[in-house]
Amino acid sequence: KQEVTQIPAALSVPEGENLVLNCSFTDSAIYNLQWFRQDPGKGLTSLLLIQSSQREQTSGRLNASLDKSSGRSTLYIAASQPGDSATYLCAVRRGGATNKLIFGTGTLLAVQP
Amino acid sequence: DAGVIQSPRHEVTEMGQEVTLRCKPISGHDYLFWYRQTMMRGLELLIYFNNNVPIDDSGMPEDRFSAKMPNASFSTLKIQPSEPRDSAVYFCASSLSGNNEQFFGPGTRLTVL
Repeated sequence: KQEVTQIPAALSVPEGENLVLNCSFTDSAIYNLQWFRQDPGKGLTSLLLIQSSQREQTSGRLNASLDKSSGRSTLYIAASQPGDSATYLCAVRRGGATNKLIFGTGTLLAVQP
Repeated sequence: DAGVIQSPRHEVTEMGQEVTLRCKPISGHDYLFWYRQTMMRGLELLIYFNNNVPIDDSGMPEDRFSAKMPNASFSTLKIQPSEPRDSAVYFCASSLSGNNEQFFGPGTRLTVL
């Protein structure tokens, strides 16, 4: 059974700092991995999607990496801003015919001005 | 594009009442997903459809829950009868096969008294 873990559960950093969020999964047979952010009381916003054949994806100040063999992904945020404060969730799609996403528990990020 | 649309945004009902949640996916997307989010269990997939056909309903908690997708632009999730433990935020998401990136709606916050 696929399990997805995110560490730390919460993180507080001063504005301007670079930071890394971690996601680990127990079954390396994944199809892709997606990072989301969720603001309080809101839905999920897709940030980056990494296919299993890719090593990383970049969008602006965000960079996500994927190491399937070790069951890990990281989300790197450069020059953090207070507007980055949110809960960040990773989700893996299993291999095979299923289109089911398994979500991690999330990391609550607070960027202090 | 308007994104995924859900209604109502908030629903408060009494135990035993029927609740119907509605979703309009992004135009052209052929996958539709229903999720439930609670503090205790995080984000869980309830059911998903491909081309209006239910593919995996293994996450539907019990027979009180049912979902339909009568056409490509509309889906409903019904709870009958509702119970206090059904209180959660229910999200709808859609994706386009081939890319598989899922886009979420704003959610419906359900409170069952």
